[in-house]
Amino acid sequence: QSALTQPASVSGSPGQSITISCTGTSSDVGGYKYVSWYQQHPGKAPKLIIYEVSNRPSGVSNRFSGSKSGSTASLTISGLQAEDEADYYCSSYTSSSSGVFGGGTKVTVL
Amino acid sequence: EVQLGESGGGLVQPGGSLRLSCAASGFTFSSSWMHWVRQAPGEGLVWVSRINSDGSSTTYADSVKGRFTISRDNAKNTLYLQMNSLRAEDAAVYYCARDRSDYGDYYMDVWGKGTTVTVSS
Repeated sequence: QSALTQPASVSGSPGQSITISCTGTSSDVGGYKYVSWYQQHPGKAPKLIIYEVSNRPSGVSNRFSGSKSGSTASLTISGLQAEDEADYYCSSYTSSSSGVFGGGTKVTVL
Repeated sequence: EVQLGESGGGLVQPGGSLRLSCAASGFTFSSSWMHWVRQAPGEGLVWVSRINSDGSSTTYADSVKGRFTISRDNAKNTLYLQMNSLRAEDAAVYYCARDRSDYGDYYMDVWGKGTTVTVSS
């Protein structure tokens, strides 16, 4: 159950697009469609922003989009806004029926 | 309003035990898979455990297997996490979360505010 691999930090200017990668193995990200993404602001609980690789829950901005290729999932934030500054975590189901999160990525809006 | 509220955190000595509770409201708790997730200070999220809607199926992270037990009381709309043989590395904020899928696919769409567990002598 090793954590999925995410970049420690990603930054961008307002209005730009950024992409956060989440790399796993064939036993987790690569083997299943059960990939999700969470946004967490400091001192707050996480918020689900993407589930099943690319689906957005009701109320989540369409500036957030998800995709997957092989064992790497990606979260793209388009039209970056100041409020997007937060930590982002990917998550996946694993072959042992357990769950695993990525190490987290800090997004900074320049 | 859909809500989860954790309680039961506190200071415990290494080797000690603690039971966390998570009260649910605003949704059909008895139909929902539930999770516990923890976050050590300054660290990332770590999945801890999952339970199905009727409590008959549980899953644990390797790091807590054999020491932690997840359970639920659907009559009381409450989720529990019994933590035994606690170690310093178990210190964290513990969140309970609801799974939005019917099969516990790890899509956690409702979270509590968390309860803090400190393990220290």
